[in-house]
Amino acid sequence: AQKVTQAQTEISVVEKEDVTLDCVYETRDTTYYLFWYKQPPSGELVFLIRRNSFDEQNEISGRYSWNFQKSTSSFNFTITASQVVDSAVYFCALMGNAGNMLTFGGGTRLMVKP
Amino acid sequence: DAGVTQSPTHLIKTRGQQVTLRCSPKSGHDTVSWYQQALGQGPQFIFQYYEEEERQRGNFPDRFSGHQFPNYSSELNVNALLLGDSALYLCASSLEGMNIQYFGAGTRLSVL
Repeated sequence: AQKVTQAQTEISVVEKEDVTLDCVYETRDTTYYLFWYKQPPSGELVFLIRRNSFDEQNEISGRYSWNFQKSTSSFNFTITASQVVDSAVYFCALMGNAGNMLTFGGGTRLMVKP
Repeated sequence: DAGVTQSPTHLIKTRGQQVTLRCSPKSGHDTVSWYQQALGQGPQFIFQYYEEEERQRGNFPDRFSGHQFPNYSSELNVNALLLGDSALYLCASSLEGMNIQYFGAGTRLSVL
């Protein structure tokens, strides 16, 4: 069975603060993929990043960065210098090697105040 | 380039009724997945369609069924609606062999 846990249900920061969203996963698969999606109030899930289990290199894209640590089964997401437009619900998800379904965590609601 | 489109955006039904939700995948995509997202929770996988066949199914009862058409668009049907079926239903499309799924804005179903 696969499981994704996002322990932080809600985070509130002031604009320009850095914020890290935690994600811990469980899987018995040796090959798997991890994803982050953003869900603004409009409802559409917006794809942010995909990592495979063999690539533990951290990734940076503008103000976004991701830290994948297989040893702790974590795939954390950091937003640097947060902006009001970053306010949304963020989901971490896992896809195993047996199929094509995404297993989502419960999400973290991020509120960035001006 | 049109993204994933879903219709309708909102729907209100009563218990026991049946509902059909529709999804058009992103241009060039051939695989459609459906998810149910209850309020305040993460999406849960219902099933996936590829080549007009249900390829994989999550833990949902047979009241949930689907279809994929030759143009890759898809429908989700739910029979004998229950209050607990109230949720946001999300459609995602992808290209076979590429596992990034792109989502539509969803259909919000309210069952009264």
